Order: sequence, then structure tokens, then C-alpha cells
Amino acid sequence: RKEVEQDPGPFNVPEGATVAFNCTYSNSASQSFFWYRQDCRKEPKLLMSVYSSGNEDGRFTAQLNRASQYISLLIRDSKLSDSATYLCVVNWDAGGTSYGKLTFGQGTILTVHP
Amino acid sequence: EAQVTQNPRYLITVTGKKLTVTCSQNMNHEYMSWYRQDPGLGLRQIYYSMNVEVTDKGDVPEGYKVSRKEKRNFPLILESPSPNQTSLYFCASLRVGGDTQYFGPGTRLTVL
Repeated sequence: RKEVEQDPGPFNVPEGATVAFNCTYSNSASQSFFWYRQDCRKEPKLLMSVYSSGNEDGRFTAQLNRASQYISLLIRDSKLSDSATYLCVVNWDAGGTSYGKLTFGQGTILTVHP
Repeated sequence: EAQVTQNPRYLITVTGKKLTVTCSQNMNHEYMSWYRQDPGLGLRQIYYSMNVEVTDKGDVPEGYKVSRKEKRNFPLILESPSPNQTSLYFCASLRVGGDTQYFGPGTRLTVL
């Protein structure tokens, strides 16, 4: 079983749709969780960190469920510019910060069409 | 401008010919890391470094070496490249205590 698993998609949605991605992780000692965005042939960039209480940034909402060991990303009112690959990232460094040994999911491809 | 740079951006080489991919960051970050990205496998960590002269293996360190003699530089060395090391490589840096890893633009390596 992979340490971090995502549905690779692709997800094809119309503009304005709401789309949700899930990511499961196998190590219960995981400490920090993130969503990164990667555009085609470009470097990944941090989209948002995921906090235990859940957090929101504009149209994006991230949730963490430690009991079931998954994190989610919800995108509301999808834009064409949201088309990208979304990477789930898990870290189980004892310090609880985002350095140390990071594990990436394989990514979920999102295409938003007119 | 805060950035992570990698060189070269593209490289085609042959099996067994030693090569080095350089990585440099201008943000005074303590932490630096190397990843490779392959279709269907995602990003996998090769090596990381918590500070000068402190390095550790990631998930796929075989066939690679790194060094961290200065804070800003973290070169990736392939002593004897093989075709299974054909991949897209990313370097990243992070301020300890921060959330955001900053990635370089990537190096596309082909080993024939």
C-alpha cells in the first residue's frame, strides 16, 4: 500500500462547479499535511497547509480527519485557471514542522472547461 | 527576488558519465531537498539536508550523492548514471519553522 494515495483522476469539470479531492495516508504518526499545486511541466507550489480544525482560503477548503487518516481539498466555483495537478503531501517529522521526510501523493489532475 | 535555481535545466547524457546538477537558493534557508518525479509515481524524495554538513536519505537515495558544504548550495551528484535515472528532478528549500517549500524550476535528465 502506498504511503500517500490520491485518486489520479483526471477530473473534468465545468466552470463554476465544486470539486473535491481526497487523499489517504498510511502512517498514523503523520504530523503535517499540505496541498500543493503543479502546473504542467512546472515546479510544485504550496496551495495551503491543512490544519486539524480545517481551514479555508477563498474558494479552497482543506480538511483533516486523523481518525480515518485522510485529508481533503474542496474547490468551489471552479475557474479555468484552477486546471492543474493537485498534490497531497504528508510529513511525519517529530518536530511537527514541514521539513524532514516528506511524502507526496501521485497527484490528482483537474481540468476545468468552459 | 527570492528563488531556487537549478542547472542545467535540460541534460541528455550517456550511461556511466558522471554528472552534477546544481541547486542554489538565496533565501538563507536551512533545509534543502532533492526530488525526482516520474509518471505514475509522483514526487519522491532522494536526499534532504537540515543544514550545512547535515544530510539524510529520502525514499530513493540509491545511485545518488549530495553534499552541503555551504548553506545556499545543495548539488546532486550521479556518479554513474543509468537509464532508470531518467527523470524530472526538483530541488527545494525551506526555512525551518516555515510552511512553504520553494521549488526550483526542475531539471529534465535523460540517460541513454
